[in-house]
Amino acid sequence: DAKTTQPPSMDCAEGRAANLPCNHSTISGNEYVYWYRQIHSQGPQYIIHGLKNNETNEMASLIITEDRKSSTLILPHATLRDTAVYYCIVRVGGAQKLVFGQGTRLTINP
Amino acid sequence: DGGITQSPKYLFRKEGQNVTLSCEQNLNHDAMYWYRQDPGQGLRLIYYSQIVNDFQKGDIAEGYSVSREKKESFPLTVTSAQKNPTAFYLCASSNRLAGTVEQFFGPGTRLTVL
Repeated sequence: DAKTTQPPSMDCAEGRAANLPCNHSTISGNEYVYWYRQIHSQGPQYIIHGLKNNETNEMASLIITEDRKSSTLILPHATLRDTAVYYCIVRVGGAQKLVFGQGTRLTINP
Repeated sequence: DGGITQSPKYLFRKEGQNVTLSCEQNLNHDAMYWYRQDPGQGLRLIYYSQIVNDFQKGDIAEGYSVSREKKESFPLTVTSAQKNPTAFYLCASSNRLAGTVEQFFGPGTRLTVL
């Protein structure tokens, strides 16, 4: 699985959009980009995934660059409950293993 | 409600004792996983199972054992051979048959070996 690079921490004001970057410059053509988040002392929660096209669901939007070497997770209107560690993961579709790095610790401030 | 349950939430054991962590899912998922998380770190895969009566080692299987006798259950035993067993243990499951699959995680068990 390709290695990902994320900033260790970020802050965002409540109500504003939180934009979390992820670099995956060695991603292969058949690898998907997944985002999970982990609220303190809980199990990780799936957020969204994509291959080439931008994706949006009820939780977030995923913007993948045309060369697929980086992506951005967007939480459009961040709330205090969005404070968590966010993990960007790349892996082959159908592969079973998730490889978690250290993620980005996002703090939403009132 | 469908989901994954892990019990207990907190577990204390004396050094040298084996301990078994429970994981049950009612999502009808074929695949189940065990991860370990140390403070400030990401998750690391211990074992996974894609089907009943079959399982494979992950990246850090030494000192651990598993069984998969039922589709719903995937217990993890932390043996006395595991040198640093104190950690947060997370169980997950996924629908193996789906092309791109998300893993659903349980609430975790925090094991402390005294």
